[in-house]
Amino acid sequence: GQQLNQSPQSMFIQEGEDVSMNCTSSSIFNTWLWYKQDPGEGPVLLIALYKAGELTSNGRLTAQFGITRKDSFLNISASIPSDVGIYFCAGLHSTDKLIFGTGTRLQVFP
Amino acid sequence: DVKVTQSSRYLVKRTGEKVFLECVQDMDHENMFWYRQDPGLGLRLIYFSYDVKMKEKGDIPEGYSVSREKKERFSLILESASTNQTSMYLCASSLVGWELFFGEGSRLTVL
Repeated sequence: GQQLNQSPQSMFIQEGEDVSMNCTSSSIFNTWLWYKQDPGEGPVLLIALYKAGELTSNGRLTAQFGITRKDSFLNISASIPSDVGIYFCAGLHSTDKLIFGTGTRLQVFP
Repeated sequence: DVKVTQSSRYLVKRTGEKVFLECVQDMDHENMFWYRQDPGLGLRLIYFSYDVKMKEKGDIPEGYSVSREKKERFSLILESASTNQTSMYLCASSLVGWELFFGEGSRLTVL
């Protein structure tokens, strides 16, 4: 089925550490999107990926579209307290359905 | 700057009440969407619209309807609210494709 497994579910890290999270599926996706949701707010688009193998950066954030088109990764370097929030991946399936992962909750301690 | 505004941040309603959730965007976007967000389930698409007066069912349309009389406004309607509709509701818009801009969300509690 068209499901996205996002991991880890939650992360507790110290300020300055690097962070990695990923989304995997048994299905192939044509586009990968990464969103961040601050507490009490709506998700905000961080990075969009359109081609297999694509590596895109947005400041301290880097995301990659997996070669197999079944996965994507998000890395955050040198984390800061304002990185706290929930990070969602979303994949656009060939059926033109956008599927969201269940989110990775990031907590950063000073 | 892109702006999607949801009329109510927090609502408390009783079972059986009719509920309107309003969403307005100021980017002249063609596409508008309503999602609900529940812990452990991620975001699930309720309805979307590609044009004025046009609507398409998403993954979980049961118990909901929508209205798009003007390009900038997309309303979600719960004809008879039930407790299992307690959730965070997120409106979004996009110019093309699926790069969604979300509103701040409306947290609905049905008692």
